[in-house]
Amino acid sequence: DGGITQSPKYLFRKEGQNVTLSCEQNLNHDAMYWYRQDPGQGLRLIYYSQIVNDFQKGDIAEGYSVSREKKESFPLTVTSAQKNPTAFYLCASTPRGDGDGGRIHEQYFGPGTRLTVT
Amino acid sequence: GNSVTQMEGPVTLSEEAFLTINCTYTATGYPSLFWYVQYPGEGLQLLLKATKADDKGSNKGFEATYRKETTSFHLEKGSVQVSDSAVYFCALSAPPFFYKLSFGAGTTVTVRA
Repeated sequence: DGGITQSPKYLFRKEGQNVTLSCEQNLNHDAMYWYRQDPGQGLRLIYYSQIVNDFQKGDIAEGYSVSREKKESFPLTVTSAQKNPTAFYLCASTPRGDGDGGRIHEQYFGPGTRLTVT
Repeated sequence: GNSVTQMEGPVTLSEEAFLTINCTYTATGYPSLFWYVQYPGEGLQLLLKATKADDKGSNKGFEATYRKETTSFHLEKGSVQVSDSAVYFCALSAPPFFYKLSFGAGTTVTVRA
């Protein structure tokens, strides 16, 4: 079955440690995204990548880093510089990253990783 | 910039009741509009979408009509079930960055038997 996998589902870390969240897709999609979800705030875009070896900051990139070395993988590192890292993190993908001439593409979401930092 | 405002929850209903969740937006150009649903402990799934004014999106008994004159995209369902209990998000994408979604804060809906 095609889809997006995120692992692990729950992650616990001590303050001051970096942690990497995994996101893998087998949909052959060009573009991938990371969102952060906090209660009552909807989803906020952290980073996105329209194509392999390229990525851009979203609205709340401070304290996070990403890489896109392979089309199917887009790992997110939550660094110790992120002041409030405890949240639910969602990865998503779309077939194209360039808007495809104005054609709208649905974003496909993974099941999410809940990160708790104490 | 682009933004989405949706009615605050939580919303609690009895089974077979009518559900409406209000969503209004601010956007540059002509956005596309979406409703996503998130069941407990899961990621988001696209529920329905509309890409131009007066389009009606529909799926699983849910409907929403793209109203340009009122900049709205309200979600409705005529008879809810317990299985409709979830968080519902209104979202938009607007040119030239069609690949970026702006989300509302989400509305938690609980349907009681």
